[in-house]
Amino acid sequence: DVKVTQSSRYLVKRTGEKVFLECVQDMDHENMFWYRQDPGLGLRLIYFSYDVKMKEKGDIPEGYSVSREKKERFSLILESASTNQTSMYLCASLDTNTGELFFGEGSRLTVL
Amino acid sequence: RKEVEQDPGPFNVPEGATVAFNCTYSNSASQSFFWYRQDCRKEPKLLMSVYSSGNEDGRFTAQLNRASQYISLLIRDSKLSDSATYLCVVALYNQGGKLIFGQGTELSVKP
Repeated sequence: DVKVTQSSRYLVKRTGEKVFLECVQDMDHENMFWYRQDPGLGLRLIYFSYDVKMKEKGDIPEGYSVSREKKERFSLILESASTNQTSMYLCASLDTNTGELFFGEGSRLTVL
Repeated sequence: RKEVEQDPGPFNVPEGATVAFNCTYSNSASQSFFWYRQDCRKEPKLLMSVYSSGNEDGRFTAQLNRASQYISLLIRDSKLSDSATYLCVVALYNQGGKLIFGQGTELSVKP
């Protein structure tokens, strides 16, 4: 089974703190994604990457950055967390043969 | 206008009912289409792909209308376990594999 693992299920941070959310997949997928999910807004794409060291902005990249140093790992970074970044963050990797996205269990971040 | 739009619902239906969801997309370059299911407090999981000719998987039927830029999902003989949020997904592979999600349609099947 494909597995996408997110490092933290629940985090509580203070405004201004730097936050790292890590995601690892074990199926050698090239494409990986970071979404945030908020009530009434659905999943919104923050960043995605289709190769090591490659990254593309999604629809809401402001306040975020990403790192893809190794194929299996895609990290989301909040340089200075703000309260409006309180959300559920979902990482996913894509099987380009089938088009199926595999999600991690999500990281629920609360910024106080 | 959102790139992918769905009626958020909720759709409240009795067991055994037939229910249909629609989803419209704005980018005519969209190449692939999917329905995902998300249970409460869980991650989304693929329900089914949507093919141009329409496709069926048990009680679920998906249809694509490229001319009108919408896809649909029909659930027959609803079960309590079908209660979930159904997400419409559109893929833009010519943009590096970008997948766009609709807001999701909430379904609640009652006894």
